Parts: sequence; C-alpha cells; structure tokens
Amino acid sequence: KAGVTQTPRYLIKTRGQQVTLSCSPISGHRSVSWYQQTPGQGLQFLFEYFSETQRNKGNFPGRFSGRQFSNSRSEMNVSTLELGDSALYLCASSLGGGVSTDTQYFGPGTRLTVL
Amino acid sequence: AQSVSQHNHHVILSEAASLELGCNYSYGGTVNLFWYVQYPGQHLQLLLKYFSGDPLVKGIKGFEAEFIKSKFSFNLRKPSVQWSDTAEYFCAVSSSGGSYIPTFGRGTSLIVHP
Repeated sequence: KAGVTQTPRYLIKTRGQQVTLSCSPISGHRSVSWYQQTPGQGLQFLFEYFSETQRNKGNFPGRFSGRQFSNSRSEMNVSTLELGDSALYLCASSLGGGVSTDTQYFGPGTRLTVL
Repeated sequence: AQSVSQHNHHVILSEAASLELGCNYSYGGTVNLFWYVQYPGQHLQLLLKYFSGDPLVKGIKGFEAEFIKSKFSFNLRKPSVQWSDTAEYFCAVSSSGGSYIPTFGRGTSLIVHP
C-alpha cells in the first residue's frame, strides 16, 4: 500500500501571500490530520478532517484552514503568510477512529519557508 | 491545558546499553499516551500506545513503556539499544481535558554509537 503523500515537498513564499498544501492519505483511510513542526514550538496539532468535516481543531488562528474531499484527500491553506509560519507541515492519515486513539500514519511533510 | 515534558533532549549511548526516556504529562484525568519515533530520513511512526489495561505496553522493535498514573509518567524503555535505534523520539498525550487533541513533547534525540 502506498503511504501518505504530500505535495509539494518544499515551498518558498513571501509574507502576505497565501499557500495551499495537499495530502493524499493511505487508501482506505478516512481521517486526515495536519500538524505544524517548528524548532521553537515543536509538533503542534492543527486540525483533523473526517468525512469532509472538520472534527477537531488546534489552537491556531483563522488564517489556517483546511478541507477534505470525498476521496479523503485533504488540503490545508494558510492565508496572509507570516515569517513565523515557516515550518514543516505534516499530514497524517488514519482509519477514522480519531486522533486521540487511531494509529496515525505520517507523510514526509511539506517544508514551507516564508521570506 | 495539558502539557507534555520530555526531560532528556539529547541522549548518547553505546550499543547494548539500556535506554529510558522520560515523559511526564500534566493532566490528571483520562489520558491516551503515545510514543512516536522518527528515524533519519524517514517519516514519523508510532512505536506504541496506551489507552487502558496493563500499564506496561510493548511496542515494535523491542521497545516498551510503563504508565505510572501516580507519577503522571509514561517512560519509554529498551533493555539493549542498537545503532539502528538512533532517532528522534516523541511522547504524545491526548486527554479529556484537552478535548482529546494530541499534545506532543519536544522530542528526545537519541544517538547510539556502535
């Protein structure tokens, strides 16, 4: 089975721009979660989507949003980029039981640099 | 709000040495506990998890962790490490107090010398 894939792998943007990251889950997985990883804050939960609905949300501003499509693929959008948004963005998929219990399978991440 | 502390940021061991990585969390209610590992150049993956039952949990590659409720701890152990255990290790907790959103520790970098 193919693993979780994320595109693009690397991205450079400037302040004020917006960005969309994509995640394709493992076949059969219905839940997709997003995380931000930075040296300063570590790994932080952004949100979880299940059946095209946001099921959980972390403590991030409204500039961070996401969506899930009927094929379980997910996109994450960050608007009005700030320098502090530079991070590795990880996507994880699971069968659907929820981030608190399901085994999550992580992708390689998208490295976003904001200049 | 829940928080997770991993006290050892960097650990260096020789092969065959025993390993114990500390993880403490702040929430006293119902918790789900996880250890994740990221090997160099690989994706983050689950080592083991605890929800309920036997507080001694066995995971992949010979790792185990013990949940001690009175100490709010979930330490990771391995009796004899190998060079291939060199990796970053993350403890994570989800709890009713945190709306079951996972909170991760800052990670421990383990280097095992052959």
